[in-house]
Amino acid sequence: AQSVTQPDIHITVSEGASLELRCNYSYGATPYLFWYVQSPGQGLQLLLKYFSGDTLVQGIKGFESEFKRCQTSFNLRKPSVHWSDAAEYFCAVGAPLGGSQGNLIFGKGTKLSVKP
Amino acid sequence: EAQVTQNPRYLITVTGKKLTVTCSQNMNHEYMSWYRQDPGLGLRQIYYSMNVEVTDKGDVPEGYKVSRKEKRNFPLILESPSPNQTSLYFCASRAGTGGTDTQYFGPGTRLTVL
Repeated sequence: AQSVTQPDIHITVSEGASLELRCNYSYGATPYLFWYVQSPGQGLQLLLKYFSGDTLVQGIKGFESEFKRCQTSFNLRKPSVHWSDAAEYFCAVGAPLGGSQGNLIFGKGTKLSVKP
Repeated sequence: EAQVTQNPRYLITVTGKKLTVTCSQNMNHEYMSWYRQDPGLGLRQIYYSMNVEVTDKGDVPEGYKVSRKEKRNFPLILESPSPNQTSLYFCASRAGTGGTDTQYFGPGTRLTVL
């Protein structure tokens, strides 16, 4: 069964610093991979997604992620963090095939704090 | 504006009092789903629906019911709520039943069961 691990529960970075949020997945084939962001009191917004092709994916708000099959990772990166990026970030995996096709499995989330 | 709406946004109720949380989408999406979000556990799927009259259990379906009589609506029903169902609930929809389309989330319903 597929699963997602986000090892960091809470990360604090300084405004302007670079950011990398970790995500590891478990799935037998190439999964569909997603990053969502949840601002306080809000629903989830899609940042980026990967299905196939180029392993470096660009998303909204200056975020990017790289699919690394050998490391089963899909880390989220941003070169310079803004105070408005403070939120909770969720990595999710979807199975391309099977009875639960398209259902997403979410990681437990990483809360990002940004200090001035 | 394309959106997923949920009502109510906040609800406080007592154990055993039946309640329904409504979910509606205006994008003509086939796929709809309910999740609950709990601290430290992320989002877990409760039920999903591939189309009208087609529903199936997710990872945590116990204590919940759903129905899909119309394409746009996917209500979540708690027949006899208990305190362990206190949570933040999200409805989501997606255009297709495959996994590549973006899933759109509603704003959430915060439920407290006393």
